[in-house]
Amino acid sequence: NAGVTQTPKFRVLKTGQSMTLLCAQDMNHEYMYWYRQDPGMGLRLIHYSVGEGTTAKGEVPDGYNVSRLKKQNFLLGLESAAPSQTSVYFCASSYPLTGENEKLFFGSGTQLSVL
Amino acid sequence: ILNVEQSPQSLHVQEGDSTNFTCSFPSSNFYALHWYRWETAKSPEALFVMTLNGDEKKKGRISATLNTKEGYSYLYIKGSQPEDSATYLCAFPKYNFNKFYFGSGTKLNVKP
Repeated sequence: NAGVTQTPKFRVLKTGQSMTLLCAQDMNHEYMYWYRQDPGMGLRLIHYSVGEGTTAKGEVPDGYNVSRLKKQNFLLGLESAAPSQTSVYFCASSYPLTGENEKLFFGSGTQLSVL
Repeated sequence: ILNVEQSPQSLHVQEGDSTNFTCSFPSSNFYALHWYRWETAKSPEALFVMTLNGDEKKKGRISATLNTKEGYSYLYIKGSQPEDSATYLCAFPKYNFNKFYFGSGTKLNVKP
């Protein structure tokens, strides 16, 4: 019963380095999301996808790119990491909006520090 | 960007106390309101999805009410226990774009 799996769990980067965070879900969800969580702030949407091959910008997309080549995977890339991207990143997935079935299922988070 | 506000930011109660906190959201174009429970070092987990004005949901000692006309939802915990210590998040999905806007959460600490 894996649900939503994020890798890695922790990462430390130097400014300017690149990395990719992987999110995988085994619930056949159409929709997938990347959020970041910073102290004193709610979860903020970075990018999301409503299906394989589609992506869209959320509230705070700058400095990030995403890809959804397979339905079960949603990748978040940082091309040139900056200290402002130090955060905890959460992936989530859901069914399309059909009422009470659209609740979000979250991964366990990735703690990223950019020095 | 939609404004979803939660209050208070944090709450410290004694074991056995009952408590409640608030989520405020835009009352226009309402679709649903979600509550999530987020324990430290774990993933947020859905508590309730509320869709109807006047809706009341219950899960054990935790219950939630919804007023879509005035744009607020209350979460109640009856007889708080230390294991209720967590951050409680509300989220407001925007139907057209399937985005969820989260409040900053209420951090509850229940002392034994």
